[in-house]
Amino acid sequence: EPEVTQTPSHQVTQMGQEVILRCVPISNHLYFYWYRQILGQKVEFLVSFYNNEISEKSEIFDDQFSVERPDGSNFTLKIRSTKLEDSAMYFCASSLGTSGLADTQYFGPGTRLTVL
Amino acid sequence: AQKVTQAQTEISVVEKEDVTLDCVYETRDTTYYLFWYKQPPSGELVFLIRRNSFDEQNEISGRYSWNFQKSTSSFNFTITASQVVDSAVYFCALSEALYFTGTASKLTFGTGTRLQVTL
Repeated sequence: EPEVTQTPSHQVTQMGQEVILRCVPISNHLYFYWYRQILGQKVEFLVSFYNNEISEKSEIFDDQFSVERPDGSNFTLKIRSTKLEDSAMYFCASSLGTSGLADTQYFGPGTRLTVL
Repeated sequence: AQKVTQAQTEISVVEKEDVTLDCVYETRDTTYYLFWYKQPPSGELVFLIRRNSFDEQNEISGRYSWNFQKSTSSFNFTITASQVVDSAVYFCALSEALYFTGTASKLTFGTGTRLQVTL
């Protein structure tokens, strides 16, 4: 069964460093998403991406964050200058995006980001 | 604005007991989607079910069943004869429909209910 994959599973970085989190969505899906979950808290939406551009973003997704689909398979989240409060589990998700149908987002296993 | 409330923070049951996880939502949209996801101790988010706002038919899948009531804005989840493997955090989520495509947009999650099933 197709699944969303994410690398790395765990990333440790120093405050102020740039990190890139990578995701490979399900191959025929058209919508891509990033969410984050601070330890013990709820899952929060960061950004959605469709047709090579951001379709929606939350207030969390400030200028420190960017997303990119550098090729036909990868979808990346970049944090330019990490802060301690960026420590969280980051989930990538994808959905089919077929018009007229309810759409389910399938999540990857997550990348745990620890900022020291 | 959309909001999902899961008032039960943590529930503990003994194996074979039935358990119901509550979910209450708020939205101004007339067309929306409701979801349940399971997060086991390993941390991934596993999709369980999706419901459209215009389909109030309840659903049963094995030991799982869902009760959707628009009149009370609730979408409750029942596990019958719980098992230790059901121990996880369960999230209810809401998504509005993007009318021009008919596809769902961002998910708004509740705070989750931690279910602990013991022997």
